[in-house]
Amino acid sequence: QSVLTQSPSASGTPGQRVTISCSGSDSNIGINAVNWYQQLPGTAPKVLIYSDNQRPSGVPDRFSGSKSGTSASLAISGLQSEDEADYYCAAWDDSLNGWVFGGGTKLTVL
Amino acid sequence: EVQLVESGGDSVQPGGSLRLSCVGSGFSFSAYSMNWVRQAPGKGLEWISYISSSTIYYADSVRGRFTVSRDNAKNSLYLQMNSLRVEDTAVYYCAREAYYRNSEWFDPWGQGTLVTVSS
Repeated sequence: QSVLTQSPSASGTPGQRVTISCSGSDSNIGINAVNWYQQLPGTAPKVLIYSDNQRPSGVPDRFSGSKSGTSASLAISGLQSEDEADYYCAAWDDSLNGWVFGGGTKLTVL
Repeated sequence: EVQLVESGGDSVQPGGSLRLSCVGSGFSFSAYSMNWVRQAPGKGLEWISYISSSTIYYADSVRGRFTVSRDNAKNSLYLQMNSLRVEDTAVYYCAREAYYRNSEWFDPWGQGTLVTVSS
């Protein structure tokens, strides 16, 4: 049981916009920044969004992040087949003194 | 190029021990906090340990069994794993904790090393 809650799966067709949500609590998302990681099949995770809504260089602007209260969202617009991957949200938890992850959302491009 | 390379993964019996290593290159290793994150087969990511220059944290699932350490002179991070259990079977990743102002995130991640605990 993950501390952050994500839907296990999401899907969309090429060109569509999809949103992945992440729900936490006052001790993590409510007071700390949210990061999003993309894990392509068979590879290590890589950062997609940091500090709620910042994109590292090299990440397409099709990817965007937002946060409100104790929930965060990752939006992917103009969906492409290469976006098929697992997506994880993460935040520092002040009560646990550790990083917490969502259970991951498997994105399928139909 | 900023890079992390893990090693030390192996197959061990329950109750056994293993030491993982992670070598960083392309950045000032001592200036960064480091983390270990694991991923059981077919499962999600689980953070297990953090180490800075002065602070260490562990997840409840490994506290008392795993010990994290670092040798900045060797640009190396270690994870000593004792009393291993079947449920410790996972790919273990090391990750640098990048930072900017009041935000931190994991970047980069190593390629991972597989630990299998089985009788």
